[in-house]
Amino acid sequence: RKEVEQDPGPFNVPEGATVAFNCTYSNSASQSFFWYRQDCRKEPKLLMSVYSSGNEDGRFTAQLNRASQYISLLIRDSKLSDSATYLCVVSASGGSYIPTFGRGTSLIVHP
Amino acid sequence: ETGVTQTPRHLVMGMTNKKSLKCEQHLGHNAMYWYKQSAKKPLELMFVYSLEERVENNSVPSRFSPECPNSSHLFLHLHTLQPEDSALYLCASSQDVAGNTGELFFGEGSRLTVL
Repeated sequence: RKEVEQDPGPFNVPEGATVAFNCTYSNSASQSFFWYRQDCRKEPKLLMSVYSSGNEDGRFTAQLNRASQYISLLIRDSKLSDSATYLCVVSASGGSYIPTFGRGTSLIVHP
Repeated sequence: ETGVTQTPRHLVMGMTNKKSLKCEQHLGHNAMYWYKQSAKKPLELMFVYSLEERVENNSVPSRFSPECPNSSHLFLHLHTLQPEDSALYLCASSQDVAGNTGELFFGEGSRLTVL
């Protein structure tokens, strides 16, 4: 089983739609969770951290389910500019923070 | 404007060549990373340096040799590569490796093609 698994997509949605991605992780000792965004031929950039209580940033909502070992990202009112690959990142507990990336989920928002 | 700069942005080399990738961070971070990104595969961690000491070597072949002369600079020396090593090599930095600060700051990457 892969450490961090994501559906690669692509998710093809119209503007204004709501779309959700899930990411599962295998290491139950994982402590830190993040979503990164990577535009085509660009470097990944942090989109948001995922807290145990869930968190929201504008149109983006991230949630963590420790019992089922997955995190989710919900995007409301999709914009054309949301088209990108969304990377799930997990790091285990312990003294070092060494992040493990999922392969990413591709989102295409069309007019 | 990224705080992590990588050079060269593109590199084409033969299997017998020796070349180096360079990364410089202007963020005052203590940790630096090399990742490999191949098509349709997750980012693969290669090396991690904390305060110029290597703290992680993720079973990378010896044809890749990292060097961290100071906390702002990271090199990846390449020697006798294979065509399957063609990929985007991303450098990143973070404040520390200890704790769970989370954010990695990436450079724009060096796209390597091995002929």
